[in-house]
Amino acid sequence: EVQLVDSGGGLIQPGGSLRLSCTASGFIFSNYAMSWVRQGPGKGLEWVSAISETGTDTYYADSVKGRFTISRDNSKNTLYLQMNSLRAEDTAAYYCVKESLGHNYGDNWGQGTLVIVSS
Amino acid sequence: AIRITQSPSSLSAFIGDRVTITCRASQDISSSLAWYQQKPGKAPKLLIYAASTLQRGVPSRFSGSGSGTDFTLTISSLQSEDLATYSCQQYFNSWTFGQGTKVEI
Repeated sequence: EVQLVDSGGGLIQPGGSLRLSCTASGFIFSNYAMSWVRQGPGKGLEWVSAISETGTDTYYADSVKGRFTISRDNSKNTLYLQMNSLRAEDTAAYYCVKESLGHNYGDNWGQGTLVIVSS
Repeated sequence: AIRITQSPSSLSAFIGDRVTITCRASQDISSSLAWYQQKPGKAPKLLIYAASTLQRGVPSRFSGSGSGTDFTLTISSLQSEDLATYSCQQYFNSWTFGQGTKVEI
């Protein structure tokens, strides 16, 4: 059974940094591209970032480009999102998402981790 | 960027009703559209991909149709456990989501 466990969220002051983690199990992690998607309070889903199977290629939404960095450690079956220069508008539940093989939709989601940016 | 317009933003229906939700893309996305169900306090769950293919384990009362720019999610007979927010996603070019439709019983 595929499992994705998100962690690392919390309350952080504006301008601060936080690193989210997503630990995967139940599938061959290194074979799949992965993404982060967030959902602000009362808002819709917003794609944040994606990374290829090997980590060679990374992609970012304009809203986080230059502030967030996605990475992965295939030896640890773990996906990361380093978030710097956090803003109030980054407040959201962050989900890691496993992309389907050969396609591009998300077929499994983590439970989410809540990030609150507030002074 | 491809924009997705989803409607309605909310709806209320009775058990057994047929429910329809629509998504319109700002450009042709072929069949690169997925539908997700999100129950309160939970992560989204994939229902349909490639516009009309039911994900394994999803009840057959859910169906999807459309291609190009116009897509529809139909629940043929609404059940109490279908209380949720439903969102569409295009994956033709990066990912964009609709704003969601909250379904109330």
